[in-house]
Amino acid sequence: EVQLVEAGGGLIQPGGSLRLSCTASGFTVSSDHMSWVRQPPGKGLEWVSVIHSGGSTYYADSVKGRFTISRDKSKSTVYLQMSNLRAEDTAMYYCARELGATGGEYFQTWGQGTVVTVSS
Amino acid sequence: SYVLTQPPSVSVAPGQTARITCGGDNIGSKSVHWYQQKPGPAPVLVVFDDSERPSGIPERFSGSNSGDTATLTISRVEAGDEADYFCQVWDSSSDHLFVFGTGTKVTVL
Repeated sequence: EVQLVEAGGGLIQPGGSLRLSCTASGFTVSSDHMSWVRQPPGKGLEWVSVIHSGGSTYYADSVKGRFTISRDKSKSTVYLQMSNLRAEDTAMYYCARELGATGGEYFQTWGQGTVVTVSS
Repeated sequence: SYVLTQPPSVSVAPGQTARITCGGDNIGSKSVHWYQQKPGPAPVLVVFDDSERPSGIPERFSGSNSGDTATLTISRVEAGDEADYFCQVWDSSSDHLFVFGTGTKVTVL
């Protein structure tokens, strides 16, 4: 069974750092494109970052320069290192497995999410 | 950046048909995907590539896409269909590679 489990969320002060992890089972994280998607409380979904199977990484402008996505194939885990956190980064963070043809990608599998709260 | 607009809410009686629209500039030229999100759990993919259904999704869920509007149709609505629904496209010209719609709350009366 394909499954994603996130961890690492919590309460952090503005300007602080946090590392989220997403552990996959049932498939190899390095074989697929993996994304992080977030959802502020009571709001919609916002794509944050993706790491491609080939290792290329991309970020939303809102987090570029502050967040870094990476993966560890041996641990079947994808990470999101978040730095210089702001109140507007407060959200549920989901890890998602991407599928679909180039230009038509979508998210087939989602984790249960981990909550990040940025507050003093 | 590319914007996808959905109605905030749609209300429908059990057994009737719910139609949720997703508006975007020439969205008909893109592949549109739809997610269902109930309170608490993560989103679930219900339609991909405009009109394809993942395994396990009932035939009551269908999609179409043309011009500036994509539509998710839920036929014979059940109480369990009450949820938020989001459309999504991939757009290389946007500051977000993956663009989500604003979301529609479907209420079953």
